[in-house]
Amino acid sequence: AQSVTQPDARVTVSEGASLQLRCKYSYFGTPYLFWYVQYPRQGLQLLLKYYPGDPVVQGVNGFEAEFSKSNSSFHLRKASVHWSDWAVYFCAVSLSNMGYKLTFGTGTSLLVDP
Amino acid sequence: EAAVTQSPRSKVAVTGGKVTLSCHQTNNHDYMYWYRQDTGHGLRLIHYSYVADSTEKGDIPDGYKASRPSQENFSLILELASLSQTAVYFCASSEEKNTLYFGAGTRLSVL
Repeated sequence: AQSVTQPDARVTVSEGASLQLRCKYSYFGTPYLFWYVQYPRQGLQLLLKYYPGDPVVQGVNGFEAEFSKSNSSFHLRKASVHWSDWAVYFCAVSLSNMGYKLTFGTGTSLLVDP
Repeated sequence: EAAVTQSPRSKVAVTGGKVTLSCHQTNNHDYMYWYRQDTGHGLRLIHYSYVADSTEKGDIPDGYKASRPSQENFSLILELASLSQTAVYFCASSEEKNTLYFGAGTRLSVL
């Protein structure tokens, strides 16, 4: 069965520092991969999505992610973190042969030190 | 302007009571979903729908029913609420593959 693992429940970075949030997936088939962000007391919002093609995808607010088939990873990166990035980040995967239903990871809470 | 609206935003229910959570979307999307969020579990799919008057079971459907009377509306029904159903519930809609648009969530406490 498809699954998504976010190994870091919480990550703390200083404002202005670079960021990487990790995501590992397992699947049989062609994966579609996503990063969503959840700000306090809000629903999830799409940051970026990967459909088979260019392995590096750009998202909103300076975020990007890189698909690696060899490492089964889809890590999220940002060059310089802003305090407003304080949120919970979810990685998700879907498969064309599973009706495109999304399976989410458990999320990573990002804390930003001023 | 919110395109996926959930009501109520929060609710306290008694064990064994009936609970209905409502979702309304103005995105004109065919697909709608109900997820629950629990600490340490991320989001898990309860029910979803591809078209009005039809619903499908997700990964954790036990104890829940769903109703899709129109393209815009999708309800989640707990006939006999239990303590284990205390969670935050999210409704979402989508048109293309998996770009989900979420509502703000309903915080349900079952006592």
